[in-house]
Amino acid sequence: KNEVEQSPQNLTAQEGEFITINCSYSVGISALHWLQQHPGGGIVSLFMLSSGKKKHGRLIATINIQEKHSSLHITASHPRDSAVYICAVRRNNNDMRFGAGTRLTVKP
Amino acid sequence: EAGVTQSPTHLIKTRGQQATLRCSPISGHTSVYWYQQALGLGLQFLLWYDEGEERNRGNFPPRFSGRQFPNYSSELNVNALELEDSALYLCASGARAPTHSPLHFGNGTRLTVT
Repeated sequence: KNEVEQSPQNLTAQEGEFITINCSYSVGISALHWLQQHPGGGIVSLFMLSSGKKKHGRLIATINIQEKHSSLHITASHPRDSAVYICAVRRNNNDMRFGAGTRLTVKP
Repeated sequence: EAGVTQSPTHLIKTRGQQATLRCSPISGHTSVYWYQQALGLGLQFLLWYDEGEERNRGNFPPRFSGRQFPNYSSELNVNALELEDSALYLCASGARAPTHSPLHFGNGTRLTVT
């Protein structure tokens, strides 16, 4: 079993829809990251969380440390949000474990 | 402010050769992380350097090695290349450990081994 599990694996949405991507992990962590990877490979770090909730524009990330679960929400989705979203957990020894990613396609 | 820069963008090598990949962190960052993203596989942690020392490595054979220079830039060396080393290699930088700062990623080096 992977240490970091993401769901869904693929997600297609219509423009304007509310999107949720989930991440569950099974190891002790010091922080959780949500990453966005565009075609071509470039990665942008969206959030780093160790507790609670963070919001940036239309993106919201939450984490529940007790349940070892995090969610990434996108409100009013747009075709430019189409990308692979990756959940990554940073362990206490500073190495990282990555989820397999969620491929999001937002159709106009 | 310049972001994390990686070079080269693409690299083609033959099996058995050595590859050297380079990464320059964001100014002020002392930690450099290397990751491998092979086709069909997710991101995997390779190496972490901070203040010139290797702090941690992932589950990769010793032919994957690297170093960090006094200016905090870093090299990843892959010796005795194998076909399965073909992948996108990503570098990220962060603030001084153990502060768990957000990571900033480079655009990667795509290594092809033929």
